[in-house]
Amino acid sequence: DIQMTQSPSTLSASVGDRVTITCRASQSISDWLAWYQQKPGKAPKLLIYKASTLESGVPSRFSGSGSGTEFTLTISGLQPDDFATYYCQQYNNYFRTFGPGTKVEV
Amino acid sequence: EVQLVESGGGLVQPGGSLRLSCTASGITIGNTFSSYEMNWVRQAPGKGLEWVSYINSDSYLKYHAAAVKGRFTIFRDNAKNSLYLQMSRLRVEDTAVYYCARDKGGIADLWGQGTLVTVSS
Repeated sequence: DIQMTQSPSTLSASVGDRVTITCRASQSISDWLAWYQQKPGKAPKLLIYKASTLESGVPSRFSGSGSGTEFTLTISGLQPDDFATYYCQQYNNYFRTFGPGTKVEV
Repeated sequence: EVQLVESGGGLVQPGGSLRLSCTASGITIGNTFSSYEMNWVRQAPGKGLEWVSYINSDSYLKYHAAAVKGRFTIFRDNAKNSLYLQMSRLRVEDTAVYYCARDKGGIADLWGQGTLVTVSS
């Protein structure tokens, strides 16, 4: 199985900050990577797919980049609604795997 | 607007069985459940997301994570707009919120609200 790692595991930030989360895959996954946001007690919400394509309705302050084994999620100008946990997920094959998550906190 | 609603969670003893259901509502003629690929994803209390199982639209393809292979079975009934997860030989470590999620080329773009499964004696 393809293993996913994320760093950092926790990130302390303030409103207005630029935040970057890194996701790494144990082998090349091309650009078959998605990012999700999850708030406590809620289902995850798709933000970005194919490494850099913004899902419809997602604010443009979210952006993604990368290919192969290293990827980043950037939030430009953190808003109060953005404090949440973020997960990357690979879909290079049918055995999807998620990263362990990055909690963005105040 | 299509929505997914899970049900069937609850408390079960180790070694027991449980069947989860996921029903789609708001289905329209041009957006049928039978065209959806589907997943089950779980989340243990305070932990991250873990993919569990995948099924394609006509049930020809089914895949399960190593942690549940041989114990869990994913299946569907397109006539009932429903997805299922039959879980057997349950273990304490299977305790989690189980989500069903629509799969669009590997991307989970629509999620249910989840159903809690607790395995405990």
